[in-house]
Amino acid sequence: LAKTTQPISMDSYEGQEVNITCSHNNIATNDYITWYQQFPSQGPRFIIQGYKTKVTNEVASLFIPADRKSSTLSLPRVSLSDTAVYYCLVGDYILTGGGNKLTFGTGTQLKVEL
Amino acid sequence: DVKVTQSSRYLVKRTGEKVFLECVQDMDHENMFWYRQDPGLGLRLIYFSYDVKMKEKGDIPEGYSVSREKKERFSLILESASTNQTSMYLCASSPRLAGPASNEQFFGPGTRLTVL
Repeated sequence: LAKTTQPISMDSYEGQEVNITCSHNNIATNDYITWYQQFPSQGPRFIIQGYKTKVTNEVASLFIPADRKSSTLSLPRVSLSDTAVYYCLVGDYILTGGGNKLTFGTGTQLKVEL
Repeated sequence: DVKVTQSSRYLVKRTGEKVFLECVQDMDHENMFWYRQDPGLGLRLIYFSYDVKMKEKGDIPEGYSVSREKKERFSLILESASTNQTSMYLCASSPRLAGPASNEQFFGPGTRLTVL
């Protein structure tokens, strides 16, 4: 099972770019890399997902090197409202009936200040 | 937008009580999940269901049961609540998309349960 490791916390200032790196040395050939965001007192929210190279959407970019043993979530020009916990995860295995079993670790607490 | 709602945001119960946590989703998703979230432990899967009346154990099913009588509703039941079940409970749903890219789940706001 692929296990992920990411920093416990990070601090940044408004307007800066934030990069959160996650390692997943045992990632399987079929695994996708997924990032979620969680605000206090809310459920996690899907941000972005990728398999290799670079993926970009309106919220973030995801960089995945060729060996796929790590990935980096990039948040451009963060604001106070980006203060949240960010989870990096891979699908553990395909559940009965479809969909992947996801294992959420403790994530990275990002704090954005003025 | 997918909407997953949970019956209560906060709940206080006494040890030994039977507790029902309700979850409803409005996107016709086949899969539904119950997690609990505790500081330092992340989210842990309790049970999931991939179809009406179907259920499977997750990583920590002990002390819990579930019910899925209708596609949109998934209930978590604590048969006899104990203090170690004090936690944040999160419900999620996802469509049936088998394969490695099926990593998007839609979460409800959570129920913070306190067992005294």
